[in-house]
Order: sequence, then structure tokens, then C-alpha cells
Amino acid sequence: TQLLEQSPQFLSIQEGENLTVYCNSSSVFSSLQWYRQEPGEGPVLLVTVVTGGEVKKLKRLTFQFGDARKDSSLHITAAQPGDTGLYLCAGATSGTYKYIFGTGTRLKVLA
Amino acid sequence: GAGVSQSPRYKVAKRGQDVALRCDPISGHVSLFWYQQALGQGPEFLTYFQNEAQLDKSGLPSDRFFAERPEGSVSTLKIQRTQQEDSAVYLCASSEFTGNTEAFFGQGTRLTVV
Repeated sequence: TQLLEQSPQFLSIQEGENLTVYCNSSSVFSSLQWYRQEPGEGPVLLVTVVTGGEVKKLKRLTFQFGDARKDSSLHITAAQPGDTGLYLCAGATSGTYKYIFGTGTRLKVLA
Repeated sequence: GAGVSQSPRYKVAKRGQDVALRCDPISGHVSLFWYQQALGQGPEFLTYFQNEAQLDKSGLPSDRFFAERPEGSVSTLKIQRTQQEDSAVYLCASSEFTGNTEAFFGQGTRLTVV
């Protein structure tokens, strides 16, 4: 059972546009991670956020953890074709060791 | 090796056949996870090892699924009497420590049951 809902499920945009992907849950997470997965590959970790309200930047990517630690967003500025992939959020609850993955957002950036 | 290695990369099995999927984690990593990923979906947790101890197998879908990590390094996921619904990518991940720490994923094994 997936506890993390991501939206949108699919997104196709032109190069240079901005976009935001959302990850929502009714559960409180002690930490939340964002991954990008390309076809035929395993997910690659982009960032881990642990503090409510935390904002982290990775080049053109900005990640935010909600104040209540139930949701997160990923904003991409000036998207590039190389950003194409499946974006996954994954949350872990306090005292556990496993991450529960979201439903995923499939992004396609057209040149 | 530098990363998590899984073999085989692709496996086609006839329904009813047994299969074994191998994971070589990053050397020295304590934690090892197995996930199942259906086409177009996020990975779903199967099982977790801390060294050789299988601490959580709550995600294994049936008693046809069995995982082991006898020496705390290489792990094998075995599926007995495969069914078509077992078709998926099976991902292995390892992390250096216990708890909620960064996990590194392998490329996965794509299993197709025909």
C-alpha cells in the first residue's frame, strides 16, 4: 500500500519551463528523500530532508519539506532534456529503517 | 565494486519455474533492502537485512518468496513456482548504516514470467 501520493503523475514540458512536483501524505515522516530514476536503471538519490520547513537546493532543483513533515515539493527551474526521468519521493517514519516510495512523477522535457 | 551489482539483469522464466536473483551490495554496508517495482510504479518494499539478520520480511507477497544473506554481504532473493504477477523489476539497495540513511540502488533485475 502506497502512503505517498505524487502529483502530477505525468508531465511533459518544453525546455526552459519551470515545474513543481508534489509529494503528499497523511503520515508524518522523520525524513524524506527524492530520487530520479532513468529507464533500465535503479533510483539515484537526489536529496534527503529531515527538518520541517527545510529547503535544499541542488543546482536548478529546489526541494522543500513541509512544516508538518507530511509533504514535500520539488521545483525545477529552466528544465533541460537531461531532467527527463521518473521522480520518486520516499519517506521514512521515526524508528523504522525502510523508506516507503511514492507513486512517482514521470517527467519528459522536450528540446 | 563501486556500486550495488545485481544479476542477472534480465530473466525470463516459464510459469512454475523457480528463480534466484543475486545482489552484491557495496562492501561493508550493513543494511540491505529488496524492493519490487511494477512497470510505471514506485518501488515497493519487500524485505530488509541488517548484516545477516532478516529484520523485516513484511513486504514479501507470499511464501513463494524467500530471501537470505547468510554471511552479511551477498543476498539472494528466491521466488518459487513463479506466476505471471511476479513479473516486475526487483531492486536491491544497500546503505552503510542502520536506520534511515542514504541507500544506494542497483540497476535491478527485470523478471518476466511467461
